[in-house]
Amino acid sequence: AQSVTQLDSHVSVSEGTPVLLRCNYSSSYSPSLFWYVQHPNKGLQLLLKYTSAATLVKGINGFEAEFKKSETSFHLTKPSAHMSDAAEYFCVVSVVSGYSTLTFGKGTMLLVSP
Amino acid sequence: GAVVSQHPSRVICKSGTSVKIECRSLDFQATTMFWYRQFPKKSLMLMATSNEGSKATYEQGVEKDKFLINHASLTLSTLTVTSAHPEDSSFYICSATGLAGLGEQFFGPGTRLTVL
Repeated sequence: AQSVTQLDSHVSVSEGTPVLLRCNYSSSYSPSLFWYVQHPNKGLQLLLKYTSAATLVKGINGFEAEFKKSETSFHLTKPSAHMSDAAEYFCVVSVVSGYSTLTFGKGTMLLVSP
Repeated sequence: GAVVSQHPSRVICKSGTSVKIECRSLDFQATTMFWYRQFPKKSLMLMATSNEGSKATYEQGVEKDKFLINHASLTLSTLTVTSAHPEDSSFYICSATGLAGLGEQFFGPGTRLTVL
């Protein structure tokens, strides 16, 4: 079985300050991990993914995440928030068991103030 | 990258009617397509997995007679919500993957269903 816990339902930052969105996972197998972003009434856009290569993964729009097996974490960071970053962010774990089944975290809403 | 489209993007229907949502992979052959449902301010819940030419596999608690899924070609899957009721109102998102379901999933933009 696999699961994902996003520790914060909401995160508020000021524009230009760092962003940290926390994610912990559990998996019986070696997981692949993803971060997706969803803007209001829009579909999902892949920010970045970890698939057992480099533990520090760089994504689009300046986001990056570090896979820490010892802590079972995959936190998403960005050095400087932009107003356009305001959206819902989902941490997702995937285990290949038959299909590449995705398990979604509950999401973290990022609010960015001027 | 791979593009997945959904049609319609929004639909409003009366209670008791049926609604069909299409999911298309535009530039690749999707051997496997997934249908998700997202409640307001909630995460995505996998409803079913479908392979081209075979019956869909439904997740526990999802009524297969209520949510009919057809994956007739390698580029098209449809979800039909039969005899829709207000509690079926939701955001429905499909995803598609090649490589027999083992590859990265590419998501459609979603369909907002409102049942009056």
